[in-house]
Amino acid sequence: DVKVTQSSRYLVKRTGEKVFLECVQDMDHENMFWYRQDPGLGLRLIYFSYDVKMKEKGDIPEGYSVSREKKERFSLILESASTNQTSMYLCASRVGRSNTEAFFGQGTRLTVV
Amino acid sequence: DQQVKQNSPSLSVQEGRISILNCDYTNSMFDYFLWYKKYPAEGPTFLISISSIKDKNEDGRFTVFLNKSAKHLSLHIVPSQPGDSAVYFCAAYYYGGATNKLIFGTGTLLAVQP
Repeated sequence: DVKVTQSSRYLVKRTGEKVFLECVQDMDHENMFWYRQDPGLGLRLIYFSYDVKMKEKGDIPEGYSVSREKKERFSLILESASTNQTSMYLCASRVGRSNTEAFFGQGTRLTVV
Repeated sequence: DQQVKQNSPSLSVQEGRISILNCDYTNSMFDYFLWYKKYPAEGPTFLISISSIKDKNEDGRFTVFLNKSAKHLSLHIVPSQPGDSAVYFCAAYYYGGATNKLIFGTGTLLAVQP
């Protein structure tokens, strides 16, 4: 079974802190994604990566950055956390070709106070 | 600009009846569509998909229909069961060479009443 693991289920951080969310997949997938889920807004794409060191902005990249130094790991960085970044963060990975599904991690509920 | 839209935020259905969840999209470059199911505090799990070259795909109780001319897809669940109660997201890919974006809709909360 494909496994996508996010480092934390729940996080509480203070405004202005730098926050790292880690995601690891064990299936040698080329593509990895970061989403946030908010009520009424669905899953919105923050960033995605189609290979090591390659990244592209999604629909809501402001306030975020990413890092993909190794194929299995995709990190989401909140440079200076703000209360409007309180959300459920979801990481996903998939094989890098069309017509395949993406597999999700269990999610990280981040609260910024 | 919401490229994938689910206009019904919620749906309530009796156990044993059919559930129909709808999804509209605007980008004609999308070539692969998926449905995911999500329980609270868990990640989405893949349900069923369909390629743009097909108009129907069936897997057990789940059938997805695609109408490309209308840019519309739907998920049918027959018969509905209480365990199907969850949020359902439709999603779409477009494959742009080395990169491909996976775009999700806003979700529909399905409640199956016993």
